[in-house]
Amino acid sequence: EAQVTQNPRYLITVTGKKLTVTCSQNMNHEYMSWYRQDPGLGLRQIYYSMNVEVTDKGDVPEGYKVSRKEKRNFPLILESPSPNQTSLYFCASSFGTDTQYFGPGTRLTVL
Amino acid sequence: ILNVEQSPQSLHVQEGDSTNFTCSFPSSNFYALHWYRWETAKSPEALFVMTLNGDEKKKGRISATLNTKEGYSYLYIKGSQPEDSATYLCAFPSSGTYKYIFGTGTRLKVLA
Repeated sequence: EAQVTQNPRYLITVTGKKLTVTCSQNMNHEYMSWYRQDPGLGLRQIYYSMNVEVTDKGDVPEGYKVSRKEKRNFPLILESPSPNQTSLYFCASSFGTDTQYFGPGTRLTVL
Repeated sequence: ILNVEQSPQSLHVQEGDSTNFTCSFPSSNFYALHWYRWETAKSPEALFVMTLNGDEKKKGRISATLNTKEGYSYLYIKGSQPEDSATYLCAFPSSGTYKYIFGTGTRLKVLA
């Protein structure tokens, strides 16, 4: 089954404790992206990757890191999470600018 | 900063009514426009990707049109059903990059 998976789905953590949210897709998509969704603000792009070893900043990259060492995986790293990173996070993938397929979301709470 | 605007923000209609919403985007350097349907507690799901001025796409009771010269797209739902209740998002990839700008969505509630 074609899908985008994210782990964990839910996470409660404390300020400053490094964490990684994994994202994996099995559709051989070149393009992968991370978004955060906050009430009233819609989806905002954090980082995106056009292919292996090619990443670029979206609109809200501060406080996040990504890597794309393999085509299927695009982890999101929060080196020192802060409460303002409490949000719902979505990973997505696509062929170029064709339709994006979204993962199930990760709800992160930073205390 | 590029901006994508959607209107109305929310909408309540009766079952069986037809409805439409608007997505406005920068008309210069247009590349593509995406429509997504987002149900509560789920992930956004693709409806349409539109690329050509004058494009009209249809999926069941849902259709969309595109005007790239004036920078807008309409989404139409014919004979709304309660299961159409969702937030409808449009998104615009910036020309020359793969950076996406999403609108804040139109929240539709169809009353039985």
